[in-house]
Amino acid sequence: DQQVKQNSPSLSVQEGRISILNCDYTNSMFDYFLWYKKYPAEGPTFLISISSIKDKNEDGRFTVFLNKSAKHLSLHIVPSQPGDSAVYFCAASEKGGATNKLIFGTGTLLAVQP
Amino acid sequence: DAGITQSPRHKVTETGTPVTLRCHQTENHRYMYWYRQDPGHGLRLIHYSYGVKDTDKGEVSDGYSVSRSKTEDFLLTLESATSSQTSVYFCAINSGVGGPYGYTFGSGTRLTVV
Repeated sequence: DQQVKQNSPSLSVQEGRISILNCDYTNSMFDYFLWYKKYPAEGPTFLISISSIKDKNEDGRFTVFLNKSAKHLSLHIVPSQPGDSAVYFCAASEKGGATNKLIFGTGTLLAVQP
Repeated sequence: DAGITQSPRHKVTETGTPVTLRCHQTENHRYMYWYRQDPGHGLRLIHYSYGVKDTDKGEVSDGYSVSRSKTEDFLLTLESATSSQTSVYFCAINSGVGGPYGYTFGSGTRLTVV
C-alpha cells in the first residue's frame, strides 16, 4: 500500500512560470515532510522540508504547503528555470519513529522548457 | 555535507551470481539505509541499520541481506541475483540535512542482471 503518492508522473512548464508538484499521503502519523530533487546519474538531494506544525515553508523560489486535513502537500517553484528540470520526490517520516525511516513517493519528472 | 560513497557505480552480473554493493560514510552517523529506485515505484526501502550489527528489513527485502560490521560501512548483498533486481541502488545516511529526518544520499549503483 503506497503511503505517499505522487499522482503526476511528469509535468512540463515554460520557463518563468510556476511549477506545482503535488503529493498525497495516507498515514496520519506522518509529521515531517521533505522534498528531494534528483538529476540523472546522481543521488537525490534535499530541497525543502516542512514540519506538521506549520502549513507553509519558503526558501527562495521554493515553497512547500501542507494541508493536514486533506493529507496533501505541494511544492511551488516560482519562477521555474531550465535547471529545475529533474525528478522530484516527496518523502514523509512518522512521528516518534525510532528508525528515522523516510517513505518516498513515486516521483514527478519536471521539465522546464526554455 | 556528510561524505558518503557507493561502490561500484555500475555493475553487470549474471543471473544466479552473488553481488555485494558497498556504502561508506566518513562521519559517524548511526542510521544508514539502502533503497532501490525503479520506474513507477520511486524509492523503496530494502534494509536499514541503526547501529553496528543492528539491521532490519524494509518493504522490499526479499532476496537481499545486509551487514554492518563497522559504523562507516553498510553492505548490501544479493545472494543470487535475478533479473527483477536490475535497478539503481542508493545508500543514504540520516545526516540531518533538512531536519532531524533528513538524508544524504550516495550517487547510486546501477546494477544490471543479465
